[in-house]
Amino acid sequence: DTGVSQDPRHKITKRGQNVTFRCDPISEHNRLYWYRQTLGQGPEFLTYFQNEAQLEKSRLLSDRFSAERPKGSFSTLEIQRTEQGDSAMYLCASSAIGYTFGSGTRLTVV
Amino acid sequence: QQQVKQSPQSLIVQKGGIPIINCAYENTAFDYFPWYQQFPGKGPALLIAIRPDVSEKKEGRFTISFNKSAKQFSLHIMDSQPGDSATYFCAATLSGNTPLVFGKGTRLSVIA
Repeated sequence: DTGVSQDPRHKITKRGQNVTFRCDPISEHNRLYWYRQTLGQGPEFLTYFQNEAQLEKSRLLSDRFSAERPKGSFSTLEIQRTEQGDSAMYLCASSAIGYTFGSGTRLTVV
Repeated sequence: QQQVKQSPQSLIVQKGGIPIINCAYENTAFDYFPWYQQFPGKGPALLIAIRPDVSEKKEGRFTISFNKSAKQFSLHIMDSQPGDSATYFCAATLSGNTPLVFGKGTRLSVIA
């Protein structure tokens, strides 16, 4: 499979728990992006990496959110002390010239 | 502040019709304008993209029209089919490889 892979596809968690999502980009793509999408809205930028360096973080990325991309390969997005407002689709994309998005992780905080 | 405004929110057309979705942007430094198609439960998929040095681009049944002076661009879908029923997003960025700014989306329904 040469696409962007995200795991898990769905996650239901209780408020206050920590969750971690994984993204495996297309192997030759050096840039990796995280977006958040809520129902009826367009994706909103969270953060992005070039190789292992985190280049930019949106103001949407509160201190409860952290992202890593060790060795410039896969990336993880962790949300600590989840809140109901964190419920959303979390999308990963990678790019060399154009973007390719994964199918996302649907997070539901109950 | 919403940097890319998209309209309409929803659109219903008959099969064979030509839906048109419009977007307006504010940042004149944007130089790459893609359109994405998204089906339920899937990530956005790139349809077509344009740079501001051209006024129109066609790929298959999809056409982007670009008006740099008005800071507007639009997507036209020729001979629309029920399989085109999806949500469409316009986006913009400072180059082809930096974070995209998305519109809020247009939910298109093509009825037979």
